[in-house]
Amino acid sequence: ELKVEQNPLFLSMQEGKNYTIYCNYSTTSDRLYWYRQDPGKSLESLFVLLSNGAVKQEGRLMASLDTKARLSTLHITAAVHDLSATYFCAGRSYNTDKLIFGTGTRLQVFP
Amino acid sequence: DAGVIQSPRHEVTEMGQEVTLRCKPISGHDYLFWYRQTMMRGLELLIYFNNNVPIDDSGMPEDRFSAKMPNASFSTLKIQPSEPRDSAVYFCASSLTAGTQYFGPGTRLTVL
Repeated sequence: ELKVEQNPLFLSMQEGKNYTIYCNYSTTSDRLYWYRQDPGKSLESLFVLLSNGAVKQEGRLMASLDTKARLSTLHITAAVHDLSATYFCAGRSYNTDKLIFGTGTRLQVFP
Repeated sequence: DAGVIQSPRHEVTEMGQEVTLRCKPISGHDYLFWYRQTMMRGLELLIYFNNNVPIDDSGMPEDRFSAKMPNASFSTLKIQPSEPRDSAVYFCASSLTAGTQYFGPGTRLTVL
């Protein structure tokens, strides 16, 4: 069964700095999602990556997918406080319709 | 367009009581998922439906949990009897043809 691992679990970073969250998955997955969750709130879809080499960007967030390495990254550029949240990646196995979520990365951006 | 709607938003009950959580998916979506989120176990898929039919309930923790989807616009998750360890946030999500899942606001359940 597909397993999804994220690292780091917790990330504290200064405003203006860049950093990357990593998402590794164990078996072939036909798509990879990134979600954001603010404290006490629901999950909001950020990106879906469908093929090897796919790159999606919105604002200061950029997600990419390397299916050969079974790795997706979420890159944060020039972090701002509003990006403070928990970020989840989730993969879908070919033979099911369900998503397997990683443990989440709690991002805290401080001045 | 309205997103996924869940009710109640908060539920506090006593151990042994029956709890029913409700979900209205986005109109036109054919998949519905029930998740549970806790600090200890993270986000767990409990059960999902396709066209109102349960497809995979392997995540349902015990026989105390049951879920139904009588029509395309309504689903329930029932816990009977409830226990303190069932305290969690329960999310419902829906999707079109197993694409991006859209989550509801969640129900925060506290079992005393």
